[in-house]
Amino acid sequence: QLRLQESGPGLVKPSETLSLTCTVSGGSISSSSYYWGWIRQPPGKGPEWIGSISYRGNTFYNPSLKSRLTVSVDTSNNQFSLRLSSVTAADTAVYYCARSGKFVSRSLEWLPDSFDYWGQGTLVTVSS
Amino acid sequence: QSVLTQPPSVSAAPGQRVTISCSGSSSNIGSNYVSWYQQLPGTAPKLLIYDNNKRPSGIPDRFSGSKSGTSATLGITGLQTGDEADYYCGTWDTSLSVVVFGGGTKLTV
Repeated sequence: QLRLQESGPGLVKPSETLSLTCTVSGGSISSSSYYWGWIRQPPGKGPEWIGSISYRGNTFYNPSLKSRLTVSVDTSNNQFSLRLSSVTAADTAVYYCARSGKFVSRSLEWLPDSFDYWGQGTLVTVSS
Repeated sequence: QSVLTQPPSVSAAPGQRVTISCSGSSSNIGSNYVSWYQQLPGTAPKLLIYDNNKRPSGIPDRFSGSKSGTSATLGITGLQTGDEADYYCGTWDTSLSVVVFGGGTKLTV
């Protein structure tokens, strides 16, 4: 059974960088059939997609976060990571990592599909 | 303000059927697959429906999905108290180049 687990600090100061890692177990991250993504959910609100990455390192970023965002993959450790710089209180949320399938768009680009496996989530609070 | 519009809440009695709507546009629901997620309190979202109407292994056939034009619908039959949760639709938005989620619908049984 595939399992994803987020890890990283639960408290980050304003203007600093939020860093999280997702460790995948029970399966290989090095599959061409999937993307690996980050989704966050502010308290009491709906999910917001942050970005996704393939095992080869191809990335898809939410344009609203792109200038502050880096998603990377480490296939040797079966992990992928998130770095979000210059955080503010608006970045306080539960952060989830998840696996998604792929679908081919009308422009023949492979894009992230639905998220079928999720980590349990980790609350990150931005506060001084 | 979410790109995908869902009713904030729906309710129905145990054993009854309920539908949850998700309204979008030609750049998202109208041209891409829709998925549905169930989020029980304090837990991660769980995939219920993918590619508009397919159920992952282990999801009972009480849950169904459909799509017509720029709207999608999640149907749940034989409601149980354990179905009380928040439900979200999601899809890719071609114009925004982003995965978008609805604002969520709270189901009360």
